[in-house]
Amino acid sequence: AQKITQTQPGMFVQEKEAVTLDCTYDTSDQSYGLFWYKQPSSGEMIFLIYQGSYDEQNATEGRYSLNFQKARKSANLVISASQLGDSAMYFCAMREANRDDKIIFGKGTRLHILP
Amino acid sequence: NAGVTQTPKFRILKIGQSMTLQCTQDMNHNYMYWYRQDPGMGLKLIYYSVGAGITDKGEVPNGYNVSRSTTEDFPLRLELAAPSQTSVYFCASSYHKRDGYTFGSGTRLTVV
Repeated sequence: AQKITQTQPGMFVQEKEAVTLDCTYDTSDQSYGLFWYKQPSSGEMIFLIYQGSYDEQNATEGRYSLNFQKARKSANLVISASQLGDSAMYFCAMREANRDDKIIFGKGTRLHILP
Repeated sequence: NAGVTQTPKFRILKIGQSMTLQCTQDMNHNYMYWYRQDPGMGLKLIYYSVGAGITDKGEVPNGYNVSRSTTEDFPLRLELAAPSQTSVYFCASSYHKRDGYTFGSGTRLTVV
């Protein structure tokens, strides 16, 4: 069974619009963390944002925010005011305390920002 | 501050050859990881290390070996290269196991 599910293989969004990238996860652990990474066409992996399972507030980092709905096991990434440079592959990832906090990744969503 | 450095960036191997992918970090991070990324897929963990002298298997360890003799270095060894090992390999590190990882720029390996 998939631990991390990203249901949108690809998305096209107009520049300056807000974007929501979906991520659902599966864990029976009480202590876990959720990450989002960006991979531009150049191939490097860039850490964007982190949400801990015990964090009461949704995480925010500049234009990135994480919409954390614990009961639904959902951790969607929201990008406000999208820019052309946001075009990239985006990966949702999770660590679980019971699995030595190793990070596992979803299959990713490719985001295309249209001018 | 170089971060995580991987060498080489590209390599073509013949079936049955062996090679070592190098990974070095200068951030004094305790935790280091090797992932592979197949086309159109997410990353899968090969091996990881929680400190010098300690290594453990990830999801897909078969066909690979690692060592961690120093905090800085975490080389990945392929002994008998197979076409199924054609992939992009990423090394990553973190100071604490609950931190986000710092990734290297990747090694693109093709086995023919």
